Amino acid sequence: GEDVEQSLFLSVREGDSSVINCTYTDSSSTYLYWYKQEPGAGLQLLTYIFSNMDMKQDQRLTVLLNKKDKHLSLRIADTQTGDSAIYFCAESISGGYNKLIFGAGTRLAVHP
Amino acid sequence: GAVVSQHPSRVICKSGTSVKIECRSLDFQATTMFWYRQFPKQSLMLMATSNEGSKATYEQGVEKDKFLINHASLTLSTLTVTSAHPEDSSFYICSAPIDQETQYFGPGTRLLVL
Repeated sequence: GEDVEQSLFLSVREGDSSVINCTYTDSSSTYLYWYKQEPGAGLQLLTYIFSNMDMKQDQRLTVLLNKKDKHLSLRIADTQTGDSAIYFCAESISGGYNKLIFGAGTRLAVHP
Repeated sequence: GAVVSQHPSRVICKSGTSVKIECRSLDFQATTMFWYRQFPKQSLMLMATSNEGSKATYEQGVEKDKFLINHASLTLSTLTVTSAHPEDSSFYICSAPIDQETQYFGPGTRLLVL
């Protein structure tokens, strides 16, 4: 079945770049997403990329997609303490309108 | 902007009682909504797809008689956890797609069953 995998934890220094990686299995996924979850809160859509693109940039966020390797990454430039949260990668399921499969989430800790 | 609300934000109930959680789309209509549950430090697991005007579609392993879903209108879906037990304690999150690319998530409902 479909599966999305992420590393569980990332620690970076304030001002550095963060790179969060994700691998997925459904090669027919139309869209791939990055969501942010702060403690006790719901999910905030950060960005998404269409499967026929290999890069998308949105201010401090850069998404890279390697469709051949089924690898997705999120780069956060100039990471701030407010970026500390859990970041979820998600893929849309083929044939499922808006149905998403989520990774386990990467906890990003930003320290001074 | 588009927002999805949930009510209540947290609920504590006794084992054996039923709990209803509401999910509302504000400023947009949603013929489809999704219900997820999230255990501590784990990912979101899709439970079911709520369809306005028809029966919900449940994911494999989710008991439809235990988790009753009613999509009463184009802006409201409810999830009722029937005869709740401690193992049902979890964080329940709904989402509503606004278009083919984007869906918005509610703030979640934390359920604790004693």
